[in-house]
Amino acid sequence: QVLLQESGPGLVKPSQTLSLTCTVSGGSISSGSNNWSWIRQSAGQGLEWIGRIYTSGSTNYNPSLKSRVIISVDTSKNQFSLKLSSVTAADTAVYYCARASRLAGFDYWGQGTLVTVSS
Amino acid sequence: QSVLTQPPSASGTPGQRVTISCSGSSSNIGDNYVYWYQQLPGTAPRLLIYKDDQRPSGVPDRFSGSRSGTSASLAMSGLRSEDEADYYCAAWDDSLSGWVFGVGTKLTVL
Repeated sequence: QVLLQESGPGLVKPSQTLSLTCTVSGGSISSGSNNWSWIRQSAGQGLEWIGRIYTSGSTNYNPSLKSRVIISVDTSKNQFSLKLSSVTAADTAVYYCARASRLAGFDYWGQGTLVTVSS
Repeated sequence: QSVLTQPPSASGTPGQRVTISCSGSSSNIGDNYVYWYQQLPGTAPRLLIYKDDQRPSGVPDRFSGSRSGTSASLAMSGLRSEDEADYYCAAWDDSLSGWVFGVGTKLTVL
C-alpha cells in the first residue's frame, strides 16, 4: 500500500516562500512510470493542479503558477518537494501531494496539509 | 475559473440514479481521458473512475462513467447516504500541458 504524507510549515508570511515535502512510503518513488503532483484546494473551493515531476527530473507546471513554482525530487529519500515563492493570502489552501500512474489518474493522495499565508 | 464545467449541485433520494455532467473542450476532454474523484467531507479526494469508464479496485459498480465528444458524465445508481460528497472531473489539457479539474459538484442525498 503506497502512502503519501505532506509535511512543512502551516503558517507562511506574505511575500515569503512556501515549502512542502511529500514523503512516499510503501514503495519506491522511482518505480514504474509514475509521476508525482502537487494539488491544492482553497477553503470551500475546487481542486487546482500545481505541477508534477517525474523521477527523471522532468516537470510540468500550471501556467498560472509557473513563474513562482519549483518542484523537485530526492529519490534517495523517497521524497518530492514544492516551493512556491512570493505567496499572498490567495495561496492559503490545503495542499495535497498525489501519485499519477500512466493513464490511471491520481490513484494515491496524501491526507493534505493546511498552509495559511498571514503575517 | 475552472476549465471544465460541472453543475454546482445535484441531489437524489436513496435508491435513485443520479448523473453529473462535465463539459470541456477539444484540448482536454475532446482528446484525452476523463477521470472522476470523490471527496468526502474533510478527506482527501479518492479516484472513482479512470480512463473514462474504468473503476479502480474497491469502487462499487454502482458508479459508472462515460465520455462523448467534449463532454463526460458520472452516473451513480442505487444512491446511498454515504455517497453524499463532492465529485470532481479532471482531464489532461494539451493546450495548457497540465491537468484541469471541474469546479466540483456537491451531491446531496435527500
